[in-house]
Amino acid sequence: ETGVTQSPTHLIKTRGQQVTLRCSSQSGHNTVSWYQQALGQGPQFIFQYYREEENGRGNFPPRFSGLQFPNYSSELNVNALELDDSALYLCASSLGRESSYNSPLHFGNGTRLTVT
Amino acid sequence: ILNVEQSPQSLHVQEGDSTNFTCSFPSSNFYALHWYRWETAKSPEALFVMTLNGDEKKKGRISATLNTKEGYSYLYIKGSQPEDSATYLCAFIPGGGADGLTFGKGTHLIIQP
Repeated sequence: ETGVTQSPTHLIKTRGQQVTLRCSSQSGHNTVSWYQQALGQGPQFIFQYYREEENGRGNFPPRFSGLQFPNYSSELNVNALELDDSALYLCASSLGRESSYNSPLHFGNGTRLTVT
Repeated sequence: ILNVEQSPQSLHVQEGDSTNFTCSFPSSNFYALHWYRWETAKSPEALFVMTLNGDEKKKGRISATLNTKEGYSYLYIKGSQPEDSATYLCAFIPGGGADGLTFGKGTHLIIQP
């Protein structure tokens, strides 16, 4: 069983630039969600994708966007980077749109993004 | 805005001692509560998913209880070991489940040999 993998592990970008983070779901999982963890905070829900469609979104501006591909891997794109976007970005996969809430999430190790 | 509070923020426990900490969440519109353990340099690992009031779950020396009417869950660790050192996160899911998990800030547990 292949776990959730994220790339890159670390990234440094300049304010105003754009960034793409990538995530491969655990084998057999069709739902992927993204979370942002800022320093000293718990992870915050960005959005969730189920079978290539966004089916839930947290309180993040439209410059945070995503994609899910037919193989259920996913991308998180952030445009017009701001200093406050510096955080750890976690991807998590699960099986099933509804059951993702009463079955556990499987997390990757995260991508540490630094915006200067 | 949902408020999930965890206490204490950090905890130092002697090896062999038992300990517990709390997760508080809104008592209305409950759907599920998750507990995760997050060790340094690793990914968060699921411990429990709890959905029913009065639920008690156990995994080895770790157990959890759930009170949805008053909006709290306790996590217990019996006979702490150094490998229990980690941040323990709880996450609340309201009814409907379309807004993802709302996490607390976590309890950072350090087991001292």
